[in-house]
Amino acid sequence: GAVVSQHPSRVICKSGTSVKIECRSLDFQATTMFWYRQFPKKSLMLMATSNEGSKATYEQGVEKDKFLINHASLTLSTLTVTSAHPEDSSFYICSANEGTGGGNTFGSGTRLTVV
Amino acid sequence: GEDVEQSLFLSVREGDSSVINCTYTDSSSTYLYWYKQEPGAGLQLLTYIFSNMDMKQDQRLTVLLNKKDKHLSLRIADTQTGDSAIYFCAESMRTGFQKLVFGTGTRLLVSP
Repeated sequence: GAVVSQHPSRVICKSGTSVKIECRSLDFQATTMFWYRQFPKKSLMLMATSNEGSKATYEQGVEKDKFLINHASLTLSTLTVTSAHPEDSSFYICSANEGTGGGNTFGSGTRLTVV
Repeated sequence: GEDVEQSLFLSVREGDSSVINCTYTDSSSTYLYWYKQEPGAGLQLLTYIFSNMDMKQDQRLTVLLNKKDKHLSLRIADTQTGDSAIYFCAESMRTGFQKLVFGTGTRLLVSP
């Protein structure tokens, strides 16, 4: 089945630094990937839709200059949290769909802690 | 906008059946999904149902869809301790089946 690999699984960074999270589709091409954020004991909130070769589409209330998304190839999307602050600490999850309507495949998530 | 609701918590004994319920508001959803999340992990797709179906069964899992009432349920037969996790229902958004709106999640606790 479809596999989505997300790295790193866990990262701790200092306040003010930037962190890059990678999302790769391993055995299929994904023109569209999605980035979600999950707060503790809460549901997933869609942050943005990553489109290969074009700009990402951000959901309302998500700062595009803070959460930079790059989808340079059909198998890789990256999310960079710029100038991270403690309130950016969260669980970030990406997903991709093969395009068959059978459900999105999710990465294993990245736990970001900003200290 | 879209809104997907679930009960927060369900506790069952091993061997019993579990039924997790979900209500949604977007009647134009194409697909409805059930995902499982274990602590600190990503989401695992369990099953999904197309909106023109009423029921789908896959081994221990049975999905029922009442489109009139916008109600979706997941029944897990012979629940095991390994089924303890958070279960999310999700609906595809009007703009495309890949874009999902997730429910609030139901924490299932299975006791021996």
